[in-house]
Amino acid sequence: EPEVTQTPSHQVTQMGQEVILRCVPISNHLYFYWYRQILGQKVEFLVSFYNNEISEKSEIFDDQFSVERPDGSNFTLKIRSTKLEDSAMYFCAGRGIEAFFGQGTRLTVV
Amino acid sequence: GIQVEQSPPDLILQEGANSTLRCNFSDSVNNLQWFHQNPWGQLINLFYIPSGTKQNGRLSATTVATERYSLLYISSSQTTDSGVYFCAVDSGGSNYKLTFGKGTLLTVNP
Repeated sequence: EPEVTQTPSHQVTQMGQEVILRCVPISNHLYFYWYRQILGQKVEFLVSFYNNEISEKSEIFDDQFSVERPDGSNFTLKIRSTKLEDSAMYFCAGRGIEAFFGQGTRLTVV
Repeated sequence: GIQVEQSPPDLILQEGANSTLRCNFSDSVNNLQWFHQNPWGQLINLFYIPSGTKQNGRLSATTVATERYSLLYISSSQTTDSGVYFCAVDSGGSNYKLTFGKGTLLTVNP
C-alpha cells in the first residue's frame, strides 16, 4: 500500500538555524499539505500546494516558512530561522479521495 | 471558518468495554475523516465518511451530514486502541484542507 514518507523522524536544532523537512507523497496525489501539531494540541493546517505552487496558507505560515517540490517527487518545508515556538510535530499529507498523512517529523528547537 | 468539536475530551475504559465518540461540525462538509493518533504520534486513517455508515472490524462510524455530526463506535476495546482519536473535516473550497477537532484521548486499561 502506498504511503507518505517523511524524513527525518526527529530533528533537534538551535534557535535561529534553518531546517528543511522532507516528504515523499503518494505519487498519484495532486494536492499536498503541511500541518503542524504542537505537543498536546490539535493538528493545524499550515499550507496547501497544488500544480507546483502554494494554493492556500494559514496565518501561521509567515515569511520564515517556504515550501518546494523541487523534482516532482519530494516535497519540502523550510523554516529559515527557527524559534522556540516552532517546536512541534510537522505532518506532510496528500489528498486523493481522502487525505493520507506521513508519520511526522518531531522538531525540537533549543 | 468551520468549527469542529469532539466529545468527550477524555475517556477511560476497561478492556472489553464499548464506547462512542462524537464529532460535531458547524457547516456542511465535503469530507469527514476519523484518525487514530498512536503513541508514536502517527495519524492512522480509520474512516473516510462524509455521510452514511461504515464498519471495519470492531470499529464503525456514522455521519449524519444533515444534522452535522459523526459518531465513532469502538466495540470490545483493547489496550492497543489507546491514543487520541481525531475527527477532521473539509468544508469545500478549492484546496480540500482539513480542519481538525481537539480530539478524544482514549485510555483502555487491562
